Amino acid sequence: DGGITQSPKYLFRKEGQNVTLSCEQNLNHDAMYWYRQDPGQGLRLIYYSQIVNDFQKGDIAEGYSVSREKKESFPLTVTSAQKNPTAFYLCASSISGSRTDTQYFGPGTRLTVL
Amino acid sequence: GQQVMQIPQYQHVQEGEDFTTYCNSSTTLSNIQWYKQRPGGHPVFLIQLVKSGEVKKQKRLTFQFGEAKKNSSLHITATQTTDVGTYFCAGPPGSGGGADGLTFGKGTHLIIQP
Repeated sequence: DGGITQSPKYLFRKEGQNVTLSCEQNLNHDAMYWYRQDPGQGLRLIYYSQIVNDFQKGDIAEGYSVSREKKESFPLTVTSAQKNPTAFYLCASSISGSRTDTQYFGPGTRLTVL
Repeated sequence: GQQVMQIPQYQHVQEGEDFTTYCNSSTTLSNIQWYKQRPGGHPVFLIQLVKSGEVKKQKRLTFQFGEAKKNSSLHITATQTTDVGTYFCAGPPGSGGGADGLTFGKGTHLIIQP
């Protein structure tokens, strides 16, 4: 099956620890995205990448870092600098990153920082 | 930056009643996309509108894109329990290019009372 996988579904971390969320896609999409969703809120863009070894900051990049070493993978690290890291994190991909592209979302990771 | 506003934030309807959510952008949109997120799930693409004044239908769902390409609406006729979820509109800015991700509205939460 083609799709986007995110793991784990639920993640708990202690305050002050960095944590990395995985995102893998086998859709052969060039563009990948990370969004954050807070309860009752919409999605806010953290980072996006249109091509391997290149990525751009979104609206709320502070306290986060990403890498794009492979086309299929776009891991997100939530650093200790992120003040309110508890949220639902969604990874998405699109064919080319064109503004008319549909975005396909993974199942998400719910991060809770204790 | 671009803002996408959605109203209402919550809508309670009796099963069988109609439902409408409205989306307004602070800037012209090259296209608008609609997504549905079931409770506990991830956003799933519903439709994209590109042309000024465009109307598209999917069974009981009717989507409209405003003449000025700054607003859109989603109307559901005779709601069913399967329609429960949060409906998001999203769009990229109307100018420029590249993978800037989507700007999402905060969504309208549809709650159906049997």
